[in-house]
Amino acid sequence: GAGVSQSPSNKVTEKGKDVELRCDPISGHTALYWYRQRLGQGLEFLIYFQGNSAPDKSGLPSDRFSAERTGESVSTLTIQRTQQEDSAVYLCASSLDRASYNEQFFGPGTRLTVL
Amino acid sequence: AQSVTQPDIHITVSEGASLELRCNYSYGATPYLFWYVQSPGQGLQLLLKYFSGDTLVQGIKGFEAEFKRSQSSFNLRKPSVHWSDAAEYFCAVGAQGNNDMRFGAGTRLTVKP
Repeated sequence: GAGVSQSPSNKVTEKGKDVELRCDPISGHTALYWYRQRLGQGLEFLIYFQGNSAPDKSGLPSDRFSAERTGESVSTLTIQRTQQEDSAVYLCASSLDRASYNEQFFGPGTRLTVL
Repeated sequence: AQSVTQPDIHITVSEGASLELRCNYSYGATPYLFWYVQSPGQGLQLLLKYFSGDTLVQGIKGFEAEFKRSQSSFNLRKPSVHWSDAAEYFCAVGAQGNNDMRFGAGTRLTVKP
């Protein structure tokens, strides 16, 4: 596609519910990143996918968070048993490959509100 | 691991005035440095990046940044700010061999008419 897309754009859920956030990267981009942006804070790295390699999950804050990616396409970030502190904007980005000098192209984000 | 600090949470400048946003990084070797802008309701957009070579980097929208190794800084500048520049600006640092970039907390820019 023309850019990185994310859905939904907004999600309001009740504490304890599970949520799934979706990211469609730019076609041809092998690297995909998830970040969390809490209100007034910078971007917090969550997880990174590169092709068919094992993902780098070092940024996931707890075992309630997980993510999947099918090949070099769509990725889904799942948060189980949501807590109020999970409220944030979740950003997805993709880049040509894993080299950290490559520009990351960001989606518009999903704003998650946990009541 | 690398890290980045943006000392200014919020800056207000008058339209037409010059702008400098500060960024300090921490990394033992030569970093890869980036500035992104996040306009309201939009995703992050790359303004400019530094990998090596000339320490003064030109970016889009009239922005430039200068890498100063001695000060571990990569400050963003613009000689004359436009109202449309009002946004959140993020400095980020990457490193060879790392998968992730570290982002600063951001600086919110307000432009007064």
